[in-house]
Amino acid sequence: KAGVTQTPRYLIKTRGQQVTLSCSPISGHRSVSWYQQTPGQGLQFLFEYFSETQRNKGNFPGRFSGRQFSNSRSEMNVSTLELGDSALYLCASSLVKTSGSSYNEQFFGPGTRLTVL
Amino acid sequence: KNEVEQSPQNLTAQEGEFITINCSYSVGISALHWLQQHPGGGIVSLFMLSSGKKKHGRLIATINIQEKHSSLHITASHPRDSAVYICAVKRAQKLVFGQGTRLTINP
Repeated sequence: KAGVTQTPRYLIKTRGQQVTLSCSPISGHRSVSWYQQTPGQGLQFLFEYFSETQRNKGNFPGRFSGRQFSNSRSEMNVSTLELGDSALYLCASSLVKTSGSSYNEQFFGPGTRLTVL
Repeated sequence: KNEVEQSPQNLTAQEGEFITINCSYSVGISALHWLQQHPGGGIVSLFMLSSGKKKHGRLIATINIQEKHSSLHITASHPRDSAVYICAVKRAQKLVFGQGTRLTINP
């Protein structure tokens, strides 16, 4: 099976712009989570989507949003970019069992490195 | 105080040495994750455990739920084990991460 893919891998934007990042999960995985990694804060949870619904959300401002499509692919959007949004954005997919367990092993994509100038 | 604390933050060792990385957490959890991140950013899930001990090749992970503590051990360490190792706990349906341990294995 192909792994989790993220596009683009690298992105440079300027303050005030908006950006959309894409994540394609492993085939059959219906849960997609997004994370931000910065040198200062480390890894932080952004949000999780399952069956096109946002199931959990981390402590990030409303400028950070996301969505999931019927094929489980997910996008995240950051509007009005700030310098502090420069980070590695990682997505991870997992196979959620029909029994309802919301936590299974997560498979990470290579990340999108966003630089805001 | 962070909910998840790792020690040491940095560790340098010689090839062949036995390595231990520790993770302590302050809240109740349902599972704990050990992750490996190589330069360039890619993250690989090493273990997911909620009790006891798991082994995969030269890697061993243990968890003590009562003491809120987990350890990752690497036996016969090799330069290719050089990476950042991250502990993450599942709390309230979210993953909370430690700050990571940077491991360098010298030949």
